[in-house]
Amino acid sequence: ETGVTQSPTHLIKTRGQQVTLRCSSQSGHNTVSWYQQALGQGPQFIFQYYREEENGRGNFPPRFSGLQFPNYSSELNVNALELDDSALYLCASSSTPATNEKLFFGSGTQLSVL
Amino acid sequence: GENVEQHPSTLSVQEGDSAVIKCTYSDSASNYFPWYKQELGKGPQLIIDIRSNVGEKKDQRIAVTLNKTAKHFSLHITETQPEDSAVYFCAANRRSQGNLIFGKGTKLSVKP
Repeated sequence: ETGVTQSPTHLIKTRGQQVTLRCSSQSGHNTVSWYQQALGQGPQFIFQYYREEENGRGNFPPRFSGLQFPNYSSELNVNALELDDSALYLCASSSTPATNEKLFFGSGTQLSVL
Repeated sequence: GENVEQHPSTLSVQEGDSAVIKCTYSDSASNYFPWYKQELGKGPQLIIDIRSNVGEKKDQRIAVTLNKTAKHFSLHITETQPEDSAVYFCAANRRSQGNLIFGKGTKLSVKP
């Protein structure tokens, strides 16, 4: 059984650029959530995808968008990057559909915006 | 919405001692309370969770207690080992919600 994998592991962008982060969920998990973790803080919920539909969204602007594919993998897209977007972006999959239980997190993508 | 506060922010113990981390939550409708351990360079790992219909849950050296009346829950680690050193996060929300609300974390250091 493979775990949650994220790519890339590190990324450096400049303000105003766009970025796409990728996540492969754990085998058999059809629910994927994305979290942003600023340095020294707990993860903050961005949104969740279940069966290719957005199933809840946190307090993030529309320039944060996502997709889920038929194989349950997911993408997080951020447009018009700002300096404050610098953070660790975590993807989590769950075996319990459309809930927040038993989340399995990947190791994250460290995004630096200069 | 839910708000979770966690303390202490740092905790240092001697190997073999016990460690206790406490969290309070604001939404009385919350019914799911997981604890995550995050090691350097890794994502959070679920170590134990509890639902609101249970007051205590144990898994070897780790236990979680929940006081619904006071709206607080705690993580207890007994016989600490150096490999327990990490940042621990509590979280809370309703199970039916898609998101978890995390505390700010506790950095636990276990000294040999």
